[in-house]
Amino acid sequence: GAGVSQSPSNKVTEKGKDVELRCDPISGHTALYWYRQSLGQGLEFLIYFQGNSAPDKSGLPSDRFSAERTGGSVSTLTIQRTQQEDSAVYLCASSSDIAGGTDTQYFGPGTRLTVL
Amino acid sequence: GKSVGLHLPTLSVQEGDNSIINCAYSNSASDYFIWYKQESGKGPQFIIDIRSNMDKRQGQRVTVLLNKTVKHLSLQIAATQPGDSAVYFCAEDLPLTPRRYGGATNKLIFGTGTLLAVQP
Repeated sequence: GAGVSQSPSNKVTEKGKDVELRCDPISGHTALYWYRQSLGQGLEFLIYFQGNSAPDKSGLPSDRFSAERTGGSVSTLTIQRTQQEDSAVYLCASSSDIAGGTDTQYFGPGTRLTVL
Repeated sequence: GKSVGLHLPTLSVQEGDNSIINCAYSNSASDYFIWYKQESGKGPQFIIDIRSNMDKRQGQRVTVLLNKTVKHLSLQIAATQPGDSAVYFCAEDLPLTPRRYGGATNKLIFGTGTLLAVQP
């Protein structure tokens, strides 16, 4: 079946503009995660959704970052008033959370954000 | 800060040799560990996982070893091929929700990665 998809694949924006990044998880996966990966670095946890609720927002770096998930499926990560330090690859992952399900997180290809 | 780190940022091996990538973790509450492979321009791809009640798990050409005593994890790749060239990340799982019936949602803590370069 289809994996995790993200759009756009690349986004170039000017400092101060708002951006929206989209994630379509694997069908049936109830858990969804956002991570950020700076150049040459590991992945930094941002936020986690279980269904439509976000019990853990501890990784969001500032109040300019927000995320929502509707219908227990698609999620959008919004960055307001972007700064150059927001430039990174934003990765989305999903996992199942059902009886006997796997913990494995499956990642999308990421959105490369460049803030000029 | 991150609790998972890698000993070698870059590993260069000859095609056909075995590769060993090491990882240290510091959170004793972690009970699940995963290795991911990330090729340039792509998202991380699951390779193999291991739970803390095991010390070894084998997949196709890959083996993960877990030493809980010293909080060390390693990934062994047999007969390394050019297609294995990538950045390899270890990740430890911090449960966010109580595990029930074997399922759980988790927050992964990643190390900084090791670049594996396979020389033909």
